[in-house]
Amino acid sequence: QQQVKQSPQSLIVQKGGISIINCAYENTAFDYFPWYQQFPGKGPALLIAIRPDVSEKKEGRFTISFNKSAKQFSLHIMDSQPGDSATYFCAARRGGADGLTFGKGTHLIIQP
Amino acid sequence: GAGVSQSPSNKVTEKGKDVELRCDPISGHTALYWYRQSLGQGLEFLIYFQGNSAPDKSGLPSDRFSAERTGGSVSTLTIQRTQQEDSAVYLCASSSQRGAETQYFGPGTRLLVL
Repeated sequence: QQQVKQSPQSLIVQKGGISIINCAYENTAFDYFPWYQQFPGKGPALLIAIRPDVSEKKEGRFTISFNKSAKQFSLHIMDSQPGDSATYFCAARRGGADGLTFGKGTHLIIQP
Repeated sequence: GAGVSQSPSNKVTEKGKDVELRCDPISGHTALYWYRQSLGQGLEFLIYFQGNSAPDKSGLPSDRFSAERTGGSVSTLTIQRTQQEDSAVYLCASSSQRGAETQYFGPGTRLLVL
């Protein structure tokens, strides 16, 4: 049973455009939702995270939108740049648990 | 400061052999995690250590997989009698304490079982 579903699998966006990646979860016990960015040959790095008591969090060009009732959250990358080309993973963690449950990832390509 | 390091970076082995993968967490980090990343898949949680103990082994896929952590620092993931389906990138992460939000990942060990 896949507990965090991520879409799309791949995404191509023009430079300066908005990249949007969506995730849906099933387990209502999840209480922490991070996004990780991974470049080829590197480990994932935390990009931005949100807890379900807020509906939106913004850090620079990156925004998480969170819809608790729909059990969905999304990553928006504004003014996308070629350097943003990477694989992005959404994840979730249950309160009291330690391991993260990851989506399958989105391969993002920003075309110059 | 130094991040999480893992060794070897690549490992090729024959089916049926045992392999050991090593993780050096960030100095002072008490929490350590192992994940597996298979081609086209997300990261799959394997095991969590707090200090030298492993309160959560729920993700280990079979009894061929084991892990230990000594001195509250270095951890070793051992896969016995490797199978081709064990081929994946094995990632280690650490965090400053249990429940800390940020997990810092190492670059991973790419394991290929022939």
